[in-house]
Amino acid sequence: QSALTQPASVSGSPGQSITISCSGTSSDVGGYSYVSWYQQYPGKVPKLMVYEVSNRPSGVSNRFSGSKSGNTASLTISGLQAEDEADYYCSSYTSSSTWVFGGGTKLTVL
Amino acid sequence: QVQLVQSGAEVKKPGASVKVSCKTSGYTFTAHYMHWVRQAPGQGLEWMGWINPNSGGTNYAQKFQGWVTMTRDTSISTVYMDLSRLRSDDTAVYYCAREYSSSWFDSWGQGTLVTVSS
Repeated sequence: QSALTQPASVSGSPGQSITISCSGTSSDVGGYSYVSWYQQYPGKVPKLMVYEVSNRPSGVSNRFSGSKSGNTASLTISGLQAEDEADYYCSSYTSSSTWVFGGGTKLTVL
Repeated sequence: QVQLVQSGAEVKKPGASVKVSCKTSGYTFTAHYMHWVRQAPGQGLEWMGWINPNSGGTNYAQKFQGWVTMTRDTSISTVYMDLSRLRSDDTAVYYCAREYSSSWFDSWGQGTLVTVSS
């Protein structure tokens, strides 16, 4: 199972919006609504930000939103803030009853 | 509240095995699958496999088949991950992560650093 494809890095200025893509196949991202997104600060534990493509857990800012089209899922962060600077990972269930993560995207707030 | 508390850091020699534990509390242990995820220094998250704490059934990523063993002890609400034939590139932080609703990982252990060095 190959890792899902994410851009290595994205950047944006405070107040702007950015989108991180997560590309897979019909056997993972495209075949299920079980895509989730995690935020990770250096040296810290990953934190769930979006689940089942577009749902936010309680306590996560509504500036974070998720979507999916075909085999590609996306995480959009609007109204970018300095505290959003972190690594972001997508994850998907697969047809083999396994899971797979994306390679991760480093978000820089300029 | 849900808590996943992992065992402490380990230093192992190449070829050795390591067993990492993940003690759970705050929920019904058998109601949620548990996954193991690792992260090498400066690298991304890598999914290793899951265990069904109710049945003991497991499913491992193809890369780890024959090499990793996940077990559980229901009497103490603890899951274990045993990795054998360690190599230097197994140096990583190993996390346990609780699966929720067959879909996402809602709670994570604090991580266990395993260092493989001669």
